[in-house]
Amino acid sequence: GAVVSQHPSRVICKSGTSVKIECRSLDFQATTMFWYRQFPKQSLMLMATSNEGSKATYEQGVEKDKFLINHASLTLSTLTVTSAHPEDSSFYICSATPGTGLANYGYTFGSGTRLTVV
Amino acid sequence: GESVGLHLPTLSVQEGDNSIINCAYSNSASDYFIWYKQESGKGPQFIIDIRSNMDKRQGQRVTVLLNKTVKHLSLQIAATQPGDSAVYFCADKTTGNQFYFGTGTSLTVIP
Repeated sequence: GAVVSQHPSRVICKSGTSVKIECRSLDFQATTMFWYRQFPKQSLMLMATSNEGSKATYEQGVEKDKFLINHASLTLSTLTVTSAHPEDSSFYICSATPGTGLANYGYTFGSGTRLTVV
Repeated sequence: GESVGLHLPTLSVQEGDNSIINCAYSNSASDYFIWYKQESGKGPQFIIDIRSNMDKRQGQRVTVLLNKTVKHLSLQIAATQPGDSAVYFCADKTTGNQFYFGTGTSLTVIP
């Protein structure tokens, strides 16, 4: 089945530094990847939609200069949290799909990255 | 789904009983819905999906019901087991590829 790998699973960084999170589709080509953010005991909030080879589309209220997304290949998307601050501490999750027009969209989620900014 | 940073509602059921988890969505243009299960510290796992042209779909021990009139979705879990303890989210999709998650419900199964 479709597998999405996310790395790292946990990261602690100092305030002011940048952190990169990787999302890889292991056994399929992901035309589109999505990045979500989740606070403790809350739902997943969609941050942005990333299409391979084009600029990401950010949801309203998400700072694109703060959360840089790159989807340079069909199997890899990265989220970089720039100049991280403690309020950026959260659980970041990616998901991937082969694309549109399929009978089963088959969205698969990564295992998430716990970011703690100290 | 309707999700605005609300804290999770909770549901406790006795092992062996049936569980019903509810979800409301706001966009009448939503055409595809998925129920996900999320265990602590992990990403969501697909449980079952349903398209807007259906009102019921059954899987193994799970049934999803869709009521488009009131924009309501439910997940029924038969003979709930301790391993079913998790947070359950519904997610809906409109014409784009994006899924939006509902508030979620934390299910606790009491042995």
